[in-house]
Amino acid sequence: DGGITQSPKYLFRKEGQNVTLSCEQNLNHDAMYWYRQDPGQGLRLIYYSQIVNDFQKGDIAEGYSVSREKKESFPLTVTSAQKNPTAFYLCASSTRFGGGADTQYFGPGTRLTVL
Amino acid sequence: DAKTTQPPSMDCAEGRAANLPCNHSTISGNEYVYWYRQIHSQGPQYIIHGLKNNETNEMASLIITEDRKSSTLILPHATLRDTAVYYCIVRAYSGNTPLVFGKGTRLSVIA
Repeated sequence: DGGITQSPKYLFRKEGQNVTLSCEQNLNHDAMYWYRQDPGQGLRLIYYSQIVNDFQKGDIAEGYSVSREKKESFPLTVTSAQKNPTAFYLCASSTRFGGGADTQYFGPGTRLTVL
Repeated sequence: DAKTTQPPSMDCAEGRAANLPCNHSTISGNEYVYWYRQIHSQGPQYIIHGLKNNETNEMASLIITEDRKSSTLILPHATLRDTAVYYCIVRAYSGNTPLVFGKGTRLSVIA
């Protein structure tokens, strides 16, 4: 099955610890994205990558870091500098970045709770 | 700045058509209208998109007004599984413009 996988589904960490969220896609998509969602809110863009070895900050990049060393992988690290990291994190990919006919496909999400 | 305005919530009886409105009065000529939905605790799912003509696929129909300042997503026969938050998004055809999700409309389909 082609798609996007995120692991784990639920993640608990102690305050002050860095944590890395996994996102893998086998859709051969060039572009990948990370979003954060808080209860009752829409999605906010953290980082996006148009192509391998390239990424740009989104609207709320502070306290997060990413890498894009492989086309199929786009891990997100939530650092201790992120003041309120507890949230639902969603990864997405698209054939290419931008473009009116392009659509994004989302993974199932990781719910991170910092204790 | 929000480019779209949607009602926060709507109800629809099961089996009836669900008509979800979206206002995008400042839409530019090169911007598409996208609809996504998010079922509770899942990732959003693409539904449909359009530029100026009405569009239909296996999930829904998209009706865009002639002046393109508003649109309506139509689920022709709503089921309980259509209960979700529906997001209307506008985005330019070209350029570095990621999708921007607002708060959407929470559709509740009632038996």
